This record gives sequence, structure tokens and C-alpha cells, in this order.
Amino acid sequence: QKEVEQDPGPLSVPEGAIVSLNCTYSNSAFQYFMWYRQYSRKGPELLMYTYSSGNKEDGRFTAQVDKSSKYISLFIRDSQPSDSATYLCAIRRSGYALNFGKGTSLLVTP
Amino acid sequence: DVKVTQSSRYLVKRTGEKVFLECVQDMDHENMFWYRQDPGLGLRLIYFSYDVKMKEKGDIPEGYSVSREKKERFSLILESASTNQTSMYLCASSTMGGEGTEAFFGQGTRLTVV
Repeated sequence: QKEVEQDPGPLSVPEGAIVSLNCTYSNSAFQYFMWYRQYSRKGPELLMYTYSSGNKEDGRFTAQVDKSSKYISLFIRDSQPSDSATYLCAIRRSGYALNFGKGTSLLVTP
Repeated sequence: DVKVTQSSRYLVKRTGEKVFLECVQDMDHENMFWYRQDPGLGLRLIYFSYDVKMKEKGDIPEGYSVSREKKERFSLILESASTNQTSMYLCASSTMGGEGTEAFFGQGTRLTVV
């Protein structure tokens, strides 16, 4: 079983929609959870990170971790065409390396 | 502005060649990583390093080696390139300790082995 599972999509939504992106993970020892955004032909860049359970909000973005169900989510409110990208969930494993999900491709249409 | 720089954006190499991918970071980070990214497989860790001259195998180290002679530079070496090593290679760096150990990525090197 892969340690981080993520639906690759693609996901297509109209501008202004609320987007929900999700991942599940298998190792209950994980504590640090991250969301990266990757535009085409670019390297990933950190969008949000959460330590342990709970919510974290930054502008239109909310990251949520439910450790009891091993589920992490990213919500995007009022989505914009500029949000069109691949979103990668990541979990910091022992040490400082990251385990990534496969990424969800998001297209926000005007 | 933080920066991880990979020496090439695109490379085309022949099967059997020895290939060097170079990565430099200017943030004085202790940790450096090499990942490869393939459609349907996501990012997979090849090697990482916590310090100069230190290296650790990641999940898919076969066919690769690394070198870290200076803190800011981390090189990935394909000893004898093969077509199944055609991929996007991403270098990253991060600092030690605490919660906010964000990994910063370079722009990637798209390697094609023919």
C-alpha cells in the first residue's frame, strides 16, 4: 500500500466554485502535512502546511487534517483561473524527506 | 529570495552515457534531495543528504549515485543512462528542525535518454 494516496483527477470547475482536494495516508505516526502547488513546467511550491490535526486557513485556502481517519484536505474558495495547477499533498516522513501523493490536476474555467 | 537552481532545464543523452545533474541552493540549508517525477507515479525520492559528504538512499536509488562535496551543491549521477531514466528530475533543499521545514524546489531538469 502506497503511503499517500491521492486521486489524480483531472478536476474541472467553473470560476468561483469551491474546490475540495483530498488525500489519505497509511502511517499514523505522520505529524507534518503539506500541500504543494505545481504549475506546468515549474517546480512545486509550498502552499500550506499543518502540524498534527486541525484546520489552517490562509486567504482562500484551508488545509484540514483528520488524524483519526488519516485524511487530509485542501479547500479552495472562490476559485480563480490562476488556481489551475497540479496540487500535491505531502507528508514529512522520519527525517526531513517528503512522501508525495500523485497530484491532482485542477482546471478552473472562466 | 530563496533559490534552488538546477543547471539544465532540458537534457538529451544517449543510452550508456554517464550523466551529471547539478543543483545549487543559496539558503545555507542542511538537507538536500533528489526526486524524479513521472506521470501516474508522482514524485519519488531517489537520494537525500543531511550534511556535506553524507548521503542516504531514498525509495528508488538503483542506477543513481550522488555527491555532496559542498553544503550548497548536490549532484545526481546516472552511472549509465537508460531509457527508463527518462523523467523530470527535481532537486529540493530544506533546513533542519521545527515545524516549518519547508522544502524548496528547483525548476526541474527534463532528461530524455535516447
